[in-house]
Amino acid sequence: AQSVTQLDSQVPVFEEAPVELRCNYSSSVSVYLFWYVQYPNQGLQLLLKYLSGSTLVKGINGFEAEFNKSQTSFHLRKPSVHISDTAEYFCAVTSLSGGSYIPTFGRGTSLIVHP
Amino acid sequence: KAGVTQTPRYLIKTRGQQVTLSCSPISGHRSVSWYQQTPGQGLQFLFEYFSETQRNKGNFPGRFSGRQFSNSRSEMNVSTLELGDSALYLCASSPGQGTNARDLDYTFGSGTRLTVV
Repeated sequence: AQSVTQLDSQVPVFEEAPVELRCNYSSSVSVYLFWYVQYPNQGLQLLLKYLSGSTLVKGINGFEAEFNKSQTSFHLRKPSVHISDTAEYFCAVTSLSGGSYIPTFGRGTSLIVHP
Repeated sequence: KAGVTQTPRYLIKTRGQQVTLSCSPISGHRSVSWYQQTPGQGLQFLFEYFSETQRNKGNFPGRFSGRQFSNSRSEMNVSTLELGDSALYLCASSPGQGTNARDLDYTFGSGTRLTVV
């Protein structure tokens, strides 16, 4: 079984400040990890994913995440946020189940960027 | 290219009724998955289809069903609606068979917001 814990339900931050959204996972097998963003009244958009290779993954909109196997974490970071980054962020983990890969999502972290 | 299209965007139904939601995947995508999103439970997996076959099913009662057509379009049906079925229903498509994690380029639709009164 696999699970994802997003440690903060809400993260307020001022514009141009750095931000880190935390994600921990548990799985008994090799995992693949994802971060998605959801803007109001929209579906989810893929920010970045870790499949293998370099543990530092760069995504869209200036976001990056680091895979840490020993700490079973995949935290998302951005050095300087903008008002437009205000959204819900979801971490997801997947492994093989029933012949295909089905992502399990965390509960989400609401990033609120203040001017 | 066109994204994932879900119709309708909003729906209001009465308890006990049934509802059908539609999802048209990106052209060429053969795998379609459905998720229920609620504030209390987050995103919960409903089912996944590939080549008209249900390949995986989440932990939902039998009132929730789905199907996929030969053109990869998918529908989900909820019968005997309950108040707790009020949610945003999201559909996602991916290009490959989904048996390789590298195929996991999920593209989500904007969802159908179902309100049961």
